[in-house]
Amino acid sequence: QVQLQESGPGLVKPSETLSLTCTVSGGSISSYYWSWIRQPPGKGLEWIGYIYYSGSTNYNPSLKSRVTISVDTSKNQFSLKLSSVTAADTAVYYCARVAVVVVPAAIYYYMDVWGKGTTVTVSS
Amino acid sequence: DIQLTQSPSFLSASVGDRVTITCRASQGISSYLAWYQQKPGKAPKLLIYAASTLQSGVPSRFSGSGSGTEFTLTISSLQPEDFATYYCQQLNSYPSLTFGGGTKVEIK
Repeated sequence: QVQLQESGPGLVKPSETLSLTCTVSGGSISSYYWSWIRQPPGKGLEWIGYIYYSGSTNYNPSLKSRVTISVDTSKNQFSLKLSSVTAADTAVYYCARVAVVVVPAAIYYYMDVWGKGTTVTVSS
Repeated sequence: DIQLTQSPSFLSASVGDRVTITCRASQGISSYLAWYQQKPGKAPKLLIYAASTLQSGVPSRFSGSGSGTEFTLTISSLQPEDFATYYCQQLNSYPSLTFGGGTKVEIK
């Protein structure tokens, strides 16, 4: 049973870089895509981006200029960096496994395993 | 960008009720849609992908339908554990795996 666990500072100062790591246990990080999603307090879900175990990435265009997602297959981990944070980046951050289903003329990406989430507050 | 609009945003229902939630896409997305359930303080849980395929382990009272721009999630007989917030998500990765705004299902 694959499990994901987010870790990182719970408090980040404005203009600094938010850094989180997701550790994958119970399975290999290889051969899958891995994603970050966030949820501001009392609001809905926002997809941040995903990375393939080989290192290729795809980011939400609204965050692309500030986001870097990387993977460390030797540690079975992937990470998120979000630069120049403001109070608007305060949220619960989730990591998730991205399942990919290929059928004739279609490729579906969806999050089938999620971490429990970690709260990050941006404040001085 | 593809926008997903869920309706209603809030729904009050009783145990045993049949509940339907709608998700409308701003442009056609074929069957590229998933549904998630989220309970307070918990991570979302995948219910349905490819518009109508039930994720393994999800009760059969949940079903999804639709294609193109209009999709529905139906709970055939609402159970106490189904009171939660439900989100749709479009699954075509370019440009973005957008989520809908959510529908909160509460006890009447």
